[in-house]
Amino acid sequence: AQKITQTQPGMFVQEKEAVTLDCTYDTSDPSYGLFWYKQPSSGEMIFLIYQGSYDQQNATEGRYSLNFQKARKSANLVISASQLGDSAMYFCAMRPKGYSTLTFGKGTMLLVSP
Amino acid sequence: ETGVTQTPRHLVMGMTNKKSLKCEQHLGHNAMYWYKQSAKKPLELMFVYNFKEQTENNSVPSRFSPECPNSSHLFLHLHTLQPEDSALYLCASSKDFQENEKLFFGSGTQLSVL
Repeated sequence: AQKITQTQPGMFVQEKEAVTLDCTYDTSDPSYGLFWYKQPSSGEMIFLIYQGSYDQQNATEGRYSLNFQKARKSANLVISASQLGDSAMYFCAMRPKGYSTLTFGKGTMLLVSP
Repeated sequence: ETGVTQTPRHLVMGMTNKKSLKCEQHLGHNAMYWYKQSAKKPLELMFVYNFKEQTENNSVPSRFSPECPNSSHLFLHLHTLQPEDSALYLCASSKDFQENEKLFFGSGTQLSVL
């Protein structure tokens, strides 16, 4: 069975600073994908970034980067230069190869202050 | 605009009512999903469809009845619900089940059962 753990229920950051949201995962499958989603108060889940288990480099998408440490089974999301609009819930998710869907963590609420 | 549209956005129903949630995707995807999101819990997978065929039913009570008439439309029929069924119901779609395929989500239906 797959499991995603996000240990930070809430995080606070000041505008323009960087923040790291933690995610650890547990799977026995050698091939898997890791995802981060953002959920603003409107409810929609917005895809942010993807990392494959065999990718040699950490994924980056604009201000988002993924600090992937395979041996530690961690996939932390780094948001650089935080903006007020980054305030939202952030979910880490995983899909092993051959599985039909994603397993999600409980999420981390990020609040960005001026 | 994510390409996945859910209606209604909000629904209040009594325990004896029958209602339906609708999801439509305009992305040409083959797989569609229903997730339930309750407060302080991870997203829970309910049902998965691939090419209109149900591939997964995550032990969901029979008071929830899914329907997938084609790859673009997904319904969730509700009857004799319980107050604990109050939650945000999210529909999603993906191209297929590859581990690198992200899910595209709708904005969800916030359901309150009285």
